[in-house]
Amino acid sequence: GENVEQHPSTLSVQEGDSAVIKCTYSDSASNYFPWYKQELGKGPQLIIDIRSNVGEKKDQRIAVTLNKTAKHFSLHITETQPEDSAVYFCAASSVGDDKIIFGKGTRLHILP
Amino acid sequence: SAVISQKPSRDICQRGTSLTIQCQVDSQVTMMFWYRQQPGQSLTLIATANQGSEATYESGFVIDKFPISRPNLTFSTLTVSNMSPEDSSIYLCSVTTGQGDTEAFFGQGTRLTVV
Repeated sequence: GENVEQHPSTLSVQEGDSAVIKCTYSDSASNYFPWYKQELGKGPQLIIDIRSNVGEKKDQRIAVTLNKTAKHFSLHITETQPEDSAVYFCAASSVGDDKIIFGKGTRLHILP
Repeated sequence: SAVISQKPSRDICQRGTSLTIQCQVDSQVTMMFWYRQQPGQSLTLIATANQGSEATYESGFVIDKFPISRPNLTFSTLTVSNMSPEDSSIYLCSVTTGQGDTEAFFGQGTRLTVV
């Protein structure tokens, strides 16, 4: 089955700097890669996703890149703000299998 | 999109008892899932709740411990049976509204503490 590895487990960046979180996946059949943000006491919320026919996607300060050959995908947050502090999860799934497999999460701290 | 209401939001239970968690969605959805999130950990899929039939469990999870019902397209329950302190966790309901690569929505979770 699919296995998703996520790094780093904890990340601290100065407010205004950029943050990058990286993930790898094992199943070449995976073709959908969402990123979730989880704030304390809440369920995960989708912030951006990318499908395998696209190499990069951007939404304001957030961007995701995908390298299918290397089975890597990354989340980039620019101009970080205090409200970006949260736990971020990458995930992968494939058409025909609606299960979403999550990485272990990255706790992002934005330092003042 | 889908709005998910999960009840209870938290509970403290005695070991050996059972707790049933409810998940109500504001619209008909294709797939419903139950996840467990242990403190500071990632989300682990327990099972897929199938409408009108037995749930599909992931490796390490069994029906006797986590019986699941899904009587219709908008409602599901997860029961945590014969609880022990190791069952202390957050339990999350999730839904998707299509097939394959579609967005998953999550409830706010049920924080369970077993004493």
